[in-house]
Amino acid sequence: GQSLEQPSEVTAVEGAIVQINCTYQTSGFYGLSWYQQHDGGAPTFLSYNGLDGLEETGRFSSFLSRSDSYGYLLLQELQMKDSASYFCAVRPLLSGGYNKLIFGAGTRLAVHP
Amino acid sequence: KAGVTQTPRYLIKTRGQQVTLSCSPISGHRSVSWYQQTPGQGLQFLFEYFSETQRNKGNFPGRFSGRQFSNSRSEMNVSTLELGDSALYLCASSLSEGNTEAFFGQGTRLTVV
Repeated sequence: GQSLEQPSEVTAVEGAIVQINCTYQTSGFYGLSWYQQHDGGAPTFLSYNGLDGLEETGRFSSFLSRSDSYGYLLLQELQMKDSASYFCAVRPLLSGGYNKLIFGAGTRLAVHP
Repeated sequence: KAGVTQTPRYLIKTRGQQVTLSCSPISGHRSVSWYQQTPGQGLQFLFEYFSETQRNKGNFPGRFSGRQFSNSRSEMNVSTLELGDSALYLCASSLSEGNTEAFFGQGTRLTVV
């Protein structure tokens, strides 16, 4: 099966850098994704790592190391609007190549002035 | 272009009743997945449909069912509602199989009393 673990809460100040880790136990997956969800809102896609290494999209970067069963989301130049929940997710190989996602429990990020 | 539309947004039902939720994916998207989100369990995969066929199913009882129509719109049905079914039900659409990004609707907030 698959299980993904994330810290439940992270706190940071505006302008700082924060890293949200995701460690996983899985029988195999296509890639690691990250989603952001504001309170009352829909999850929105942030980043995807199909291969090991770093992917950068503006202020957000994501990293994957399959050998370490580990990934992270890095948020730079934090803004108040970044306060939200962040979820890592995998698309398992057993999904047959379709779009089933298994999510971590989510990390609630609070950004303070 | 229009996003993923879920109706209704809010629903209150009584234990033992049944409910049908609707999801209209982004135009041209053929894959629709459903997730249940609760504070205790996070985002749990329910099922996925692609080209009117169920491709993956999560670990939920048979009271939870779904279908997809030829226009890719999808419905999910929950029969014999239980208090524990109270949750946010999210629909996600993807263009085809094996996509790295899923687009989520705002969800249907179901309360069972």
